[in-house]
Amino acid sequence: AQSVTQLGSHVSVSEGALVLLRCNYSSSVPPYLFWYVQYPNQGLQLLLKYTSAATLVKGINGFEAEFKKSETSFHLTKPSAHMSDAAEYFCAVAYGGATNKLIFGTGTLLAVQP
Amino acid sequence: GAVVSQHPSRVICKSGTSVKIECRSLDFQATTMFWYRQFPKQSLMLMATSNEGSKATYEQGVEKDKFLINHASLTLSTLTVTSAHPEDSSFYICSARGGSGDPYEQYFGPGTRLTVT
Repeated sequence: AQSVTQLGSHVSVSEGALVLLRCNYSSSVPPYLFWYVQYPNQGLQLLLKYTSAATLVKGINGFEAEFKKSETSFHLTKPSAHMSDAAEYFCAVAYGGATNKLIFGTGTLLAVQP
Repeated sequence: GAVVSQHPSRVICKSGTSVKIECRSLDFQATTMFWYRQFPKQSLMLMATSNEGSKATYEQGVEKDKFLINHASLTLSTLTVTSAHPEDSSFYICSARGGSGDPYEQYFGPGTRLTVT
């Protein structure tokens, strides 16, 4: 069965510092992986996705993630944090064949300190 | 493109009443729509999957008689919370898949905050 684990429910970085949000997946088949961002009282916005093409995926707002099969990881990074990056981030894996359901991780709340 | 709207954004209702939440795909035809529930500071939990013109498939533990889902057209799905109780208070988010987009990608609505008093 597919599952997603996000290490660290809260991450705090200084403005301008590297952002690293961790995501590990468990999947018996090649996964499709996603990172979403959620601002307070809003829906989810797709940051980036991995669908078995390039292992280094670039997304919006300067974020990128690298798919590492050997480590079953899909960590999200951004070289330099901005105050506007403060939000909740969710990693998700798609499964279910035709239904393509998403399983979400528990989320990581990113705080950016001035 | 790929915009999903929800209405209302916030609703307060009294215990025992029913509330309907609409989810619309504005610029594409959604063959499949999903309904999620999110409790404060928690992740999204899938409630049900609906395909246009057919009955929704509910996840284990979700009461289908309490959470009525209708997907009558390719652009509209509705979630009706029947006989709402305070424990049903939550943030409900819909998503849609379809059109020419990636078959695995879901486009999310902005969510509906339901408060049952």
